[in-house]
Amino acid sequence: GAGVSQSPSNKVTEKGKDVELRCDPISGHTALYWYRQSLGQGLEFLIYFQGNSAPDKSGLPSDRFSAERTGGSVSTLTIQRTQQEDSAVYLCASSLGGTAFFGQGTRLTVV
Amino acid sequence: KNEVEQSPQNLTAQEGEFITINCSYSVGISALHWLQQHPGGGIVSLFMLSSGKKKHGRLIATINIQEKHSSLHITASHPRDSAVYICAAANYGGSQGNLIFGKGTKLSVKP
Repeated sequence: GAGVSQSPSNKVTEKGKDVELRCDPISGHTALYWYRQSLGQGLEFLIYFQGNSAPDKSGLPSDRFSAERTGGSVSTLTIQRTQQEDSAVYLCASSLGGTAFFGQGTRLTVV
Repeated sequence: KNEVEQSPQNLTAQEGEFITINCSYSVGISALHWLQQHPGGGIVSLFMLSSGKKKHGRLIATINIQEKHSSLHITASHPRDSAVYICAAANYGGSQGNLIFGKGTKLSVKP
């Protein structure tokens, strides 16, 4: 596609439910990043995929968070047993090693 | 103390003014990024630099590795430059995507 696409754009879920957030990177981009931005907070690194290398998961806040990238393309960020503090905008970006291109984000609200 | 500090936090300028936003960091870095986040939330990567200076249109980014300081300059500012500008450091020894973000500088350019 022309840009990084994220879906859904908005998600409201009940506390305790699992959610999946999807990212379609720019075709051919080997690097894929997930960040989140909580209300009133700055951006926070979550996870980084680069080609076939093991992902850098050091930013994932708890073991309720996981992400995978299938076939070096689409990525899914899964949050299990969501908590209210998980409410944030989840941003995905991709790059070919240089400038990163960001998606519009998924706004997650846990009620 | 945050590892990446930006100043000022808020900046109001008149159209046409020269603007400088500062970023200081306390970690060793492999690269420094400047991002622009528009009021709608979309993020655009402006620069990635590891030394010297880069220019793109009216935007100039500089970095001084010895002083651990970077600046973003906007010449002939325009109301469409109004956005939050975010500095992010890629920690040396960490992965490319593992960025430490500043809290952002909110710029408002008045016509």
